[in-house]
Amino acid sequence: AQRVTQPEKLLSVFKGAPVELKCNYSYSGSPELFWYVQYSRQRLQLLLRHISRESIKGFTADLNKGETSFHLKKPFAQEEDSAMYYCALSSYSGSRLTFGEGTQLTVNP
Amino acid sequence: GAGVSQSPRYKVAKRGRDVALRCDSISGHVTLYWYRQTLGQGSEVLTYSQSDAQRDKSGRPSGRFSAERPERSVSTLKIQRTEQGDSAVYLCASSSGAPLEAFFGQGTRLTVV
Repeated sequence: AQRVTQPEKLLSVFKGAPVELKCNYSYSGSPELFWYVQYSRQRLQLLLRHISRESIKGFTADLNKGETSFHLKKPFAQEEDSAMYYCALSSYSGSRLTFGEGTQLTVNP
Repeated sequence: GAGVSQSPRYKVAKRGRDVALRCDSISGHVTLYWYRQTLGQGSEVLTYSQSDAQRDKSGRPSGRFSAERPERSVSTLKIQRTEQGDSAVYLCASSSGAPLEAFFGQGTRLTVV
């Protein structure tokens, strides 16, 4: 079974502070991990995926298979980063995309 | 081209009635998902289908939810005997395959009264 856990429903930081959104997963096979973001009044959209190993909008995420984690990090948060963030997992075959419960990030001025 | 489109954007239904929500996915995408998004519970998968599978029911144990795919790029989520707890935003997403990006519609907000 696929399962994604985001332990923090709410996360609040000040502008310029580092931010880390936690994500843990359970999956018996080789997982593909993603972070999706939903800004206010916008549709859910892909932020980044671990296979790309890229930084998007200053965010990075490293897959740690030993800890089964895929935490999202940004060294200096900006107010425009305020949004709902969802961690997601898919099997390599893509038969199912499972989301965590989401973390609402608020970056205060 | 157009992205994923859902209709209606808003739906009010009386408890106990059946509702049908439509999703027009991106042409060529093989995998289509339906999710339910509620405050505090995130997004839970309701159904997903791949390729030409016309009916797929998974994720949600209740038999009241089902999805049909009369055309490859069209899906209808059917909810039978709606309950007040079904009030939520229903999201449709499609993907051309894994592990590629899923594209989401703007959602349908269902209110059961």
